Amino acid sequence: QQQVKQSPQSLIVQKGGISIINCAYENTAFDYFPWYQQFPGKGPALLIAIRPDVSEKKEGRFTISFNKSAKQFSLHIMDSQPGDSATYFCAALTLNSGNTPLVFGKGTRLSVIA
Amino acid sequence: DAGVTQSPTHLIKTRGQQVTLRCSPKSGHDTVSWYQQALGQGPQFIFQYYEEEERQRGNFPDRFSGHQYPNYSSELNVNALLLGDSALYLCASMRGNEKLFFGSGTQLSVL
Repeated sequence: QQQVKQSPQSLIVQKGGISIINCAYENTAFDYFPWYQQFPGKGPALLIAIRPDVSEKKEGRFTISFNKSAKQFSLHIMDSQPGDSATYFCAALTLNSGNTPLVFGKGTRLSVIA
Repeated sequence: DAGVTQSPTHLIKTRGQQVTLRCSPKSGHDTVSWYQQALGQGPQFIFQYYEEEERQRGNFPDRFSGHQYPNYSSELNVNALLLGDSALYLCASMRGNEKLFFGSGTQLSVL
């Protein structure tokens, strides 16, 4: 059973456009929701993360929107650039119960074209 | 400050063989986790080591085992390799509940 469902599987966005990736989760015990960025040949790198006590978090061009009642969260990349082309993973874990391991979505391959 | 380092970067084995992958955590980190990332999939948690003991384990068979040394470095061992074990194996380290840092992984191919 997949605990974190991510969509779309792939995404093509024009340079300067907005990239939107969505995730949904089932386990209401999750209390930490990070997004990771992975380039080919590299391990995932933490991009931005949110706790469920806020509905939005912004860091530069990257914003997480969080809807606790719907059990959904999304990553928005504003002014998308070719250098943002990578695979993005949403993830979730429970910090308040002994730091359970990260559960990842299946990933979204983003291509930003000029 | 070196991040998480893994060796080797690539490895080719045949079915039935055994393999050992190595990981040095980021300086100051005491907890090491291992993940398996199949092609086109998200990383799947294998196990986590802290204070030289396996603290948590994911849904992987006993063929997967590990070890953590006093200097916090870690090994992942896989016995009786199957074709389906072909994947990118990622090591990640952290200290307490702080940010998780991943290495670049070891790409294992089982023929």
